Amino acid sequence: DTAVSQTPKYLVTQMGNDKSIKCEQNLGHDTMYWYKQDSKKFLKIMFSYNNKELIINETVPNRFSPKSPDKAHLNLHINSLELGDSAVYFCASTGAGELFFGEGSRLTVL
Amino acid sequence: SQQGEEDPQALSIQEGENATMNCSYKTSINNLQWYRQNSGRGLVHLILIRSNEREKHSGRLRVTLDTSKKSSSLLITASRAADTASYFCAPSNDYKLSFGAGTTVTVRA
Repeated sequence: DTAVSQTPKYLVTQMGNDKSIKCEQNLGHDTMYWYKQDSKKFLKIMFSYNNKELIINETVPNRFSPKSPDKAHLNLHINSLELGDSAVYFCASTGAGELFFGEGSRLTVL
Repeated sequence: SQQGEEDPQALSIQEGENATMNCSYKTSINNLQWYRQNSGRGLVHLILIRSNEREKHSGRLRVTLDTSKKSSSLLITASRAADTASYFCAPSNDYKLSFGAGTTVTVRA
């Protein structure tokens, strides 16, 4: 029974397209995150939601828009994809400090 | 946000040896966490040490924290092939956990 699940696992698309990645957690956590891991393995925080409200919004282009329909879901929509958006995107959730990560969604922009 | 920097970037050891990696950070923290990432997988939480703790153990893992030097170390004793992974530290003083590029550990059989 997967605690934090992301879909899709792989996404290959052309520059200029719009794509979404979905995340769901069944841990009952209030806080969810999106992280981006680049090719050098740096893992950078992008957004965080606490009970559907945005609490962290790091310096991320406006083309990235998170949406949290309820506290168990945090989706990431990316408009006008660019080559530099190619990365692995991780969703995570927390209830008391420890983060639980999904398996990642590898986005390749051609 | 707070970010840890792991050192060394990469480490190669023989099975059975110990592996030590370090983490440095810049501002005050409430706790510091270590995570492991196997190739192609998400990060998995290993251990959390609070700012008022100096050392913590979990199985073959030993973590130290020196808040005066703003540094932490992770020791893996009696390493196994399954310990091959990247290890990340995450200093935290709020909801923001930021990570560096990790230390990639390779355990040779």
